[in-house]
Amino acid sequence: QQPVQSPQAVILREGEDAVINCSSSKALYSVHWYRQKHGEAPVFLMILLKGGEQKGHDKISASFNEKKQQSSLYLTASQLSYSGTYFCGTDTDKLIFGTGTRLQVFP
Amino acid sequence: GAVVSQHPSWVICKSGTSVKIECRSLDFQATTMFWYRQFPKQSLMLMATSNEGSKATYEQGVEKDKFLINHASLTLSTLTVTSAHPEDSSFYICSAKQGGAHSEQFFGPGTRLTVL
Repeated sequence: QQPVQSPQAVILREGEDAVINCSSSKALYSVHWYRQKHGEAPVFLMILLKGGEQKGHDKISASFNEKKQQSSLYLTASQLSYSGTYFCGTDTDKLIFGTGTRLQVFP
Repeated sequence: GAVVSQHPSWVICKSGTSVKIECRSLDFQATTMFWYRQFPKQSLMLMATSNEGSKATYEQGVEKDKFLINHASLTLSTLTVTSAHPEDSSFYICSAKQGGAHSEQFFGPGTRLTVL
């Protein structure tokens, strides 16, 4: 079952923050986060495995709620390079991508 | 880091012809390879899961006779789009992983297929 992401699209000015949500009606075994630039392959950002887990690097972090049905990706002090489409994904033996969130950062 | 290559990066073909896309893991042996298809402004949709030496497992709605997958070795998987039609035009992306569930997948750069 495909995870649902919200919002579908976000427009930001450089330096602003954004939150992207990923939800599932069933508990997820894990949640992966990827960013994809137009015409390119998705780039791995991070994976969360445990309920209640939070992790991050630089100004991008993510959380996974206790019930493992929702994850959020936090982008702080956004940069132009953050523009792209963000996908969450969940896997057991195969990775299923979420619906996607298009993020555009303007100067 | 682990590198996955795809060839060709783009292809244009006439309707009714077949097209083969190669996916290689360059510096690791992949236990499993995956094929995804992505239409403009949509998510990546899993087409099939491929394990070396065994038949691919196709997702519901994907025609296995149209999208032939061969996984000849731990570093190579091929996707052949047979009798391609304009509606098959899409971005095809492969990925590979070494470990089991929850291990990171490494993605190829994708192949843009345009069927005229």
